[in-house]
Amino acid sequence: DTGVSQDPRHKITKRGQNVTFRCDPISEHNRLYWYRQTLGQGPEFLTYFQNEAQLEKSRLLSDRFSAERPKGSFSTLEIQRTEQGDSAMYLCASSRLAGGDRNYGYTFGSGTRLTVV
Amino acid sequence: AQSVSQHNHHVILSEAASLELGCNYSYGGTVNLFWYVQYPGQHLQLLLKYFSGDPLVKGIKGFEAEFIKSKFSFNLRKPSVQWSDTAEYFCAVRPVNQFYFGTGTSLTVIP
Repeated sequence: DTGVSQDPRHKITKRGQNVTFRCDPISEHNRLYWYRQTLGQGPEFLTYFQNEAQLEKSRLLSDRFSAERPKGSFSTLEIQRTEQGDSAMYLCASSRLAGGDRNYGYTFGSGTRLTVV
Repeated sequence: AQSVSQHNHHVILSEAASLELGCNYSYGGTVNLFWYVQYPGQHLQLLLKYFSGDPLVKGIKGFEAEFIKSKFSFNLRKPSVQWSDTAEYFCAVRPVNQFYFGTGTSLTVIP
């Protein structure tokens, strides 16, 4: 499978704990995006990278959230001091630069479902 | 601010019925328009997209969508649904880099 991989698929954590998710994009895709999807809502943009540079962050990305893509390949999303409101599906997607993905669109991963208890 | 409205939250149809899901967006500039589908337990998959040209776009699995610029709409249609079309459908616009998704429409097709 050469799609976007996310790990873990599910994570249950206690409130106040830190969690980290990983995303492995399609290898030739240089853009990587993080979205959050809560129940009954569509995905909401969090942040995106072009290679290793984080180019845009949403206001949803509070200071408890940090994302990295150190070598321009895989990315991690860390949530510190988790709160119950952080419970959601965290989606990763990748694409080529604007010219290329005009034809191919994004490819989404299956997501990491976070439950904060 | 950009927004996407999907008018139908939950649609229930019998097999062979025709489907139309509404989508309206608010954005003043040029946008790319998409419909994604999410089958139970699976990831978002692209159904179809519109960038420019013919406003009637055909996608996979017999779906099509029509872009009406004057109405800021991009409605999804299928002449005859199947039980396997049961899924969540999301309309999305992409002005520049990121997507703005609607809240989704849950479609249940009864055999």
